[in-house]
Parts: sequence; structure tokens; C-alpha cells
Amino acid sequence: DIQMTQSPSSLSASVGDTVTITCRASQNINNYLNWYQQKPGEAPKLLIYAASSLHSGVPSRFLGSGSGTDYSLTINSLQPEDVATYYCQQSYYTPRGFGGGTKVDIK
Amino acid sequence: EVELKESGGGLVQPGGSLRLSCVASGFTFNSYDMNWVRQAPGRGLEYISYISNSGETTYYADSVQGRFTISRDNAQNSLFLQMNSLRAEDTGVYYCTRDGLPYWGQGTLVTVSS
Repeated sequence: DIQMTQSPSSLSASVGDTVTITCRASQNINNYLNWYQQKPGEAPKLLIYAASSLHSGVPSRFLGSGSGTDYSLTINSLQPEDVATYYCQQSYYTPRGFGGGTKVDIK
Repeated sequence: EVELKESGGGLVQPGGSLRLSCVASGFTFNSYDMNWVRQAPGRGLEYISYISNSGETTYYADSVQGRFTISRDNAQNSLFLQMNSLRAEDTGVYYCTRDGLPYWGQGTLVTVSS
């Protein structure tokens, strides 16, 4: 199985900061990488698919990048409503495993 | 609009069974592979099962292998998860998800407790 290593596990930043979350796959996943945002009590919400494509309705401050085994999610100008847990998921191989999550809060 | 709606969750005793359903709309169901993902309280996302669009290929995580069965009815745009021999550690929210451009349902809560 492909292992997805996500870091950091948590971070705290100020409103307006730029934050970056990284996700490393144990093998090349050919940009089949999704990023989700999950708030407490809610289902995960798709932010980015295919490593860098912004899902409809998602603010442009969310940016996905990367290739091969290494990917990142950048949140530009962090907003209070961005407090959530973020997950990466590879969809190239079955099982389509997830990273362990990154909990983002505001300082 | 793509929609996935799960049902069938509830409270069940250890060793019991439940059958989850997921009704899809807004897309050509028989063209997409489908998955089940679960989340235990306070924990991360766990990928547990996959079925190909035709139903011919399936996958199970080790944690559910031999106890859970995934199936689909393309005529009824429905995905199922038959869960037998349930354990306390199966407690959580179960999500139905679509492959390709991923869509998720809102989830259904399964609680295994005596």
C-alpha cells in the first residue's frame, strides 16, 4: 500500500499569514492527489484535486502544487474560517489512502 | 448537481450487523468506481473499501476484511456496505465517496456498543 505522510500534524498561525502543509507519498502518484478541509461535525470538503486544480467555489487563497511523490497545500492570507483539519489523499492506487491530517488554528 | 446520500447507520451491539446504503444522483453512476471511508470519533479518515464501476473488482482494508462486503446496484444508482461481526472499533461516521472528481456524502453514524 502507498503510505501518505502529511506534515505538520498541527500548526498555529496568525490571520493573514501564509501556511503550507506538505504530503509525501511512498511512490509516484502522478499528481493523483486531493486535498480536503474538514470542520468539526462536518463531512470533508474537497479543496484541490489532481494536485493543483481548485474545486468549484473554493477561494483562490488555497493553492495546491507538487508532483511525483511530494505535494503541498498553501493557504495564502489565512482567515478565521480556515480553522479546520486538512487531509491529503492519493487516488492513483487502491487503497486510496489518506495522510494523517493537519489541524490548523489561529494564534 | 452530484449528490450522495448515506443511510442505515445506528446503534448495534457487538457482534451484530448493519447494512449501509448510499443513493447517488446527478451523475452516471455506472461510470464511476465508488468507495467507503470511515472516521472514528476524534480520529482521522480511514479508507476501508472500493468497488469498480461494474462491481467486478473490490478491495477491503485489513481492518474489515472478511466482515464487510461492498456491493452496488447500478440500476438503482445505489452503493451498499454490509457490515457483520461488528466491533466497538467499527464505531464512527461512514462516508460514501465517488472516484474521479471526488464527491462525498454527508455520512451516517454507526455506533457499536452494548
